[in-house]
Amino acid sequence: EVQLVESGGTLAQPGRSLRLSCTVSGFTFDVYAMNWVRQAPGKGLEWVGFVRNKTYGATTEYAASVKGRFTVSRDDSRSIAYLQMDSLKPEDTAIYYCSRLNYEDSNGYYPDYWGQGTLVTVSS
Amino acid sequence: DIQMTQSPSSLSASVGDRVTITCRASQGISNFLAWFQVKPGKAPKSLIYAASSLQTGVPSRFSGSGSGTDFTLTISSLQPEDFATYYCQHYSNYPRTFGQGTRLEIK
Repeated sequence: EVQLVESGGTLAQPGRSLRLSCTVSGFTFDVYAMNWVRQAPGKGLEWVGFVRNKTYGATTEYAASVKGRFTVSRDDSRSIAYLQMDSLKPEDTAIYYCSRLNYEDSNGYYPDYWGQGTLVTVSS
Repeated sequence: DIQMTQSPSSLSASVGDRVTITCRASQGISNFLAWFQVKPGKAPKSLIYAASSLQTGVPSRFSGSGSGTDFTLTISSLQPEDFATYYCQHYSNYPRTFGQGTRLEIK
């Protein structure tokens, strides 16, 4: 069974850093790209960024709202994807979800499995 | 950036109804479109990819169609567990953007 479990969400002060983890099981982690999406309270879904697998250099893509502050990475030996969040702002308050990205030559990268999310609150 | 516009923003329907949600892209995205179901406190669920392909394990009452700029998600016969919020997302280029969501409520 495919499982993704996010952790690391907590209350953080503006300007501080936080690292979220997405621990997976039930599939061969190093084959897949991994994705982060967030949902602010009362708002819709917002794509944050993703990391490709090592075959594609573990390269990353980011939303403009987090580029330069957030970093997505992966540890294939531990089957964990990370979201390093620096210079946090109150508007980063959200539930953060990780998802697995499936890849097909004809279809590109698309999410298939998701975790339940972890809540990050940025407030002084 | 490509803007994704869903309609309606909310919808009231009854068990057994057929419902359709639309998603329009601000420019052509071929068929690089996915649909998701979100319920509070639960993991989002992927329903459709490539505009019309059903994800593994998704009931056949869900279907998607469209290409280019106009897309639809149809639920042929609503079940109690289908009341949720639905989002479309394009994956044609970066940034990936979502529609604003359609909240499906029980009438």
